[in-house]
Amino acid sequence: QSALTQPASVSGSPGQSITIACTGTSSDVGGYDYVAWYQQHPGKAPKLMIYDVINRPSGVSNRFSGSKSGNTASLTISGLQAEDEADYFCGSYTSSTTLVFGGGTKLTVL
Amino acid sequence: QVQLQESGPGLVRPSQTLSLTCTVSGGSISRGGYYWSWIRQLPGKGLEWIGYIYYNGNTYYNPSLRSRVIISVDMSKNQFSLKLSSVTAADTAVYYCARARKWSPFDYWGQGALVTVSS
Repeated sequence: QSALTQPASVSGSPGQSITIACTGTSSDVGGYDYVAWYQQHPGKAPKLMIYDVINRPSGVSNRFSGSKSGNTASLTISGLQAEDEADYFCGSYTSSTTLVFGGGTKLTVL
Repeated sequence: QVQLQESGPGLVRPSQTLSLTCTVSGGSISRGGYYWSWIRQLPGKGLEWIGYIYYNGNTYYNPSLRSRVIISVDMSKNQFSLKLSSVTAADTAVYYCARARKWSPFDYWGQGALVTVSS
C-alpha cells in the first residue's frame, strides 16, 4: 500500500486561511468516508482534529474543517493562529482492510 | 481519561527482535469496543500503521510488515505488546501505541518511544 500524498509544507499569515490536500485513490480516500486528520507538535503525539472527513471531536476549534472531492481530502484552517504551527497528517481506511497515512505537511505560520 | 504508555528498550541490535509494551490506564482492554494499535514514525517522515489487536486476540497487520510482526494482548495486566523481528536500521523510529474503534481514527495515543536499531 502506498502512503497518501500531501504537500511537504504550507504557510500562511495570522488570520488567513490555508488548505492542505491529501490525495489517495479510489481504494482509500475516494472509496470511503473514513478520512481523519491529525495535528502533531514537535516531540508530541498526534492529536485527532477531524474524523470521517468532516467531523470535529469535542474540544477541537471550529476553525478546523474537512472536506473531500473524489480521491482528494482537504483540511482547511481558517483564522490562522501561531499555535496552529505544527505537522498535519491525513489517514484513511483502505479496501485492503488496512489503514494508511499521508507523509505529513509542515504548516508554518508566518 | 484513557492513558497509554509505551515501554521497552531504546536500542536494539540489527537482526534482533524489537519488543515494546503499551500499558493502558483509565479503561479496560477486556471491556471490548476498541482496537489497540501500534503506529510508527520514521525519522523526519510520516506515520506508518503497523497493526492492531482486539481483546479477543483478533489481529490486523500492515501487509508490508506482516511477516515480521506479532501483536499480543495481556488482559490481566491491561497491556498489549509489539514484537518486530529481524530489525534493520530502517526500523529506527518513534513507536506509538494508540486506541481506535475498528477502522476508525485513533482518539488516544501514547507519548511515543524512540527505538534505535544499531550495533
